[in-house]
Amino acid sequence: KQEVTQIPAALSVPEGENLVLNCSFTDSAIYNLQWFRQDPGKGLTSLLLIQSSQREQTSGRLNASLDKSSGRSTLYIAASQPGDSATYLCAVNRNRDDKIIFGKGTRLHILP
Amino acid sequence: EPEVTQTPSHQVTQMGQEVILRCVPISNHLYFYWYRQILGQKVEFLVSFYNNEISEKSEIFDDQFSVERPDGSNFTLKIRSTKLEDSAMYFCASYHGTQLFFGSGTQLSVL
Repeated sequence: KQEVTQIPAALSVPEGENLVLNCSFTDSAIYNLQWFRQDPGKGLTSLLLIQSSQREQTSGRLNASLDKSSGRSTLYIAASQPGDSATYLCAVNRNRDDKIIFGKGTRLHILP
Repeated sequence: EPEVTQTPSHQVTQMGQEVILRCVPISNHLYFYWYRQILGQKVEFLVSFYNNEISEKSEIFDDQFSVERPDGSNFTLKIRSTKLEDSAMYFCASYHGTQLFFGSGTQLSVL
């Protein structure tokens, strides 16, 4: 059974710092991996999607990497801003239209 | 940009009452899903729906739950007799080809 773990559970950093959020999954047979952002009491916004054949994806200040064989992904946020404060969720699926399995998330707080 | 729409955004109900949560998926999408998130916990899969039938359901999705696509645009989740532990944020999602799009959720509170 696929398990997704995210470390750390919470993180506070001063504005302007670069930071890394970690995600690990137990079954390396994934189709793709997605990173989502969730603001308190709100829905899920997809940030980056990495296909299993890819190593990384970039969008603006965000860069996500995938090491499928070791079951790991990282989300790198450059030059953090207070508006980046949110919970970041990692999720994987086994097949193209299969359900996705979420981690519990990392709650990020950027200090002004 | 197309989006998945969920209504209502908040629903308060008494234990034992039936609730229907509504979703309008993105129009050309073929796969539909319901997830839920109990406060402070992981987002959990409930059910997937394709070609007018359930394709997979989790152990959470017992006979108190049902889904329907009544008119080709709406996708509904019904809880027949709500329990206190059904209180959660319920997310609808739809998929076509590449990525999953989520609605903004319905916060269900069972009193």
